[in-house]
Amino acid sequence: SQQGEEDPQALSIQEGENATMNCSYKTSINNLQWYRQNSGRGLVHLILIRSNEREKHSGRLRVTLDTSKKSSSLLITASRAADTASYFCATYSGSARQLTFGSGTQLTVLP
Amino acid sequence: DTGVSQDPRHKITKRGQNVTFRCDPISEHNRLYWYRQTLGQGPEFLTYFQNEAQLEKSRLLSDRFSAERPKGSFSTLEIQRTEQGDSAMYLCASRVAASGGTDTQYFGPGTRLTVL
Repeated sequence: SQQGEEDPQALSIQEGENATMNCSYKTSINNLQWYRQNSGRGLVHLILIRSNEREKHSGRLRVTLDTSKKSSSLLITASRAADTASYFCATYSGSARQLTFGSGTQLTVLP
Repeated sequence: DTGVSQDPRHKITKRGQNVTFRCDPISEHNRLYWYRQTLGQGPEFLTYFQNEAQLEKSRLLSDRFSAERPKGSFSTLEIQRTEQGDSAMYLCASRVAASGGTDTQYFGPGTRLTVL
């Protein structure tokens, strides 16, 4: 079963704009990860944030984590057409020892 | 290319046939995972191996599914008596499981199964 929900399910923006995706989850976690999937392809790891971290940056990506609300957000700044993909959050807990994915956000960046 | 590879990339089969998929993980990775992904959904965990030992299986993995990882290297996932509901993308991922590791998994390109 899916761990949580992602919001929105689909997002369409113009190149250069920022994109924000949200993820909610249900159980306690060790860390939360974001992955990108281009159409019909495998997943690529983007960034990992540990349960004791609140914010993390990597290039144009910024991830926040609020463990009290069991939620995370992914911000992509200055989006490009090449950012068009599905984005998934995935949680990892020590007890599960495997990733549990959300249902994803389909991002379309229009040139 | 030293990433995770999967073979075949696409498989079309008739209902009732058996199919087998192969995954070659990154060579130093001791943990290997199988996931299933249906259209519009995130991947769902099926099973994972630590070296050659299969340590966990999801309830999604019915008796028709079997996975092996002989010698702790490549892995195979077999589906017997395929059903139309088995149509999905089957993803393999690997990682190093070690104390202080990052838990990041590296995914292969997937095998897309279509059952007619």
